[in-house]
Amino acid sequence: GIQVEQSPPDLILQEGANSTLRCNFSDSVNNLQWFHQNPWGQLINLFYIPSGTKQNGRLSATTVATERYSLLYISSSQTTDSGVYFCAVDTNRLAFGKGNQVVVIP
Amino acid sequence: NAGVTQTPKFRILKIGQSMTLQCTQDMNHNYMYWYRQDPGMGLKLIYYSVGAGITDKGEVPNGYNVSRSTTEDFPLRLELAAPSQTSVYFCASSPGGTQYFGPGTRLLVL
Repeated sequence: GIQVEQSPPDLILQEGANSTLRCNFSDSVNNLQWFHQNPWGQLINLFYIPSGTKQNGRLSATTVATERYSLLYISSSQTTDSGVYFCAVDTNRLAFGKGNQVVVIP
Repeated sequence: NAGVTQTPKFRILKIGQSMTLQCTQDMNHNYMYWYRQDPGMGLKLIYYSVGAGITDKGEVPNGYNVSRSTTEDFPLRLELAAPSQTSVYFCASSPGGTQYFGPGTRLLVL
């Protein structure tokens, strides 16, 4: 099956810092989604982004489908950004990466 | 809209017991999914449904069964619980595209 790799696996940020999370995938996909799992376990979808760039507040995402990667940018990080960020790619069904564990310290 | 709701929130089972995890969505979505998440891992698809009466296996279906008699409900059945089924179970629904997740059910099999 398709392989989804996320990097870095763990990231500690000072509040206010910027960061970039990366998702590489091994085959062509129909679409790609980014999710945030908060420390209480709730999964929230952030972006549905098969290609191009989207922005939502301090978060933005870019997917370059031809090169099989996607990037999630977090700007001016806040403690509420802590949690795990998952990339999931859709061939006929979603395949998840192992996630980026992000901790934002005040 | 309540979105996707799951019950129970937490359950402890003994090896060999059976149980049903409930999932209901009120968004009239055709697609519904069951995932499991093991510690430190991403989600793995157990079963999915593209509409009432239609279900199909995902990546890790062994030990589970599903049914989809209505658009709203997609219960997951564990027939003979095993310690390997200790996990957090998430249900999701979708109109096609973005998936919306329930709050999860934590299951411990002892």
